[in-house]
Amino acid sequence: AQSVTQLGSHVSVSEGALVLLRCNYSSSVPPYLFWYVQYPNQGLQLLLKYTTGATLVKGINGFEAEFKKSETSFHLTKPSAHMSDAAEYFCAVSDGGGTSYGKLTFGQGTILTVHP
Amino acid sequence: EAQVTQNPRYLITVTGKKLTVTCSQNMNHEYMSWYRQDPGLGLRQIYYSMNVEVTDKGDVPEGYKVSRKEKRNFPLILESPSPNQTSLYFCASSLYPGLNYGYTFGSGTRLTVV
Repeated sequence: AQSVTQLGSHVSVSEGALVLLRCNYSSSVPPYLFWYVQYPNQGLQLLLKYTTGATLVKGINGFEAEFKKSETSFHLTKPSAHMSDAAEYFCAVSDGGGTSYGKLTFGQGTILTVHP
Repeated sequence: EAQVTQNPRYLITVTGKKLTVTCSQNMNHEYMSWYRQDPGLGLRQIYYSMNVEVTDKGDVPEGYKVSRKEKRNFPLILESPSPNQTSLYFCASSLYPGLNYGYTFGSGTRLTVV
């Protein structure tokens, strides 16, 4: 069974400040990990994903995330927040096609607010 | 343009009146899935389909039906909607998620059952 916990349902930062959204996962097999972003009244858009290989993954819009197996974490960061980053962010885990047929299990979501 | 199209975007209905939310993808994806999104709960899988005529329950299937008669379409059916099915629904597709092609999501259907 897989699960995802996102620490903090709301995160507020100032424009230009570091963005850090936390994600911890539980998986019985090597996980595939994802971050999605949802802008108001829109669907989910893939920001980045980790499957295998390099543990630091770069995504769109200047976001990156680091897979830390020992901490079972996949935190999302961006060095300098922009007003357009305001959205809801979801971390998700997949078993890569095992018994769950690659089902994505999502965290509860974190709403990011960016202040001028 | 590669996309997943859901209709309608918004729907208000009354308890017990059957409804169908349509989902269509133009990417020749084998895998399709329905999720519902509720505040504080993230997205939860309702049903999924590995290919035509192959469907299976997700985590919250009660009160829903699906069908997959064609590869491109995966409608979600609520035979007798109830207020607890008021939610934001997303359809998603993937070439094959096990190989991590990722999911493509539709724009969502906001359903209100009164």
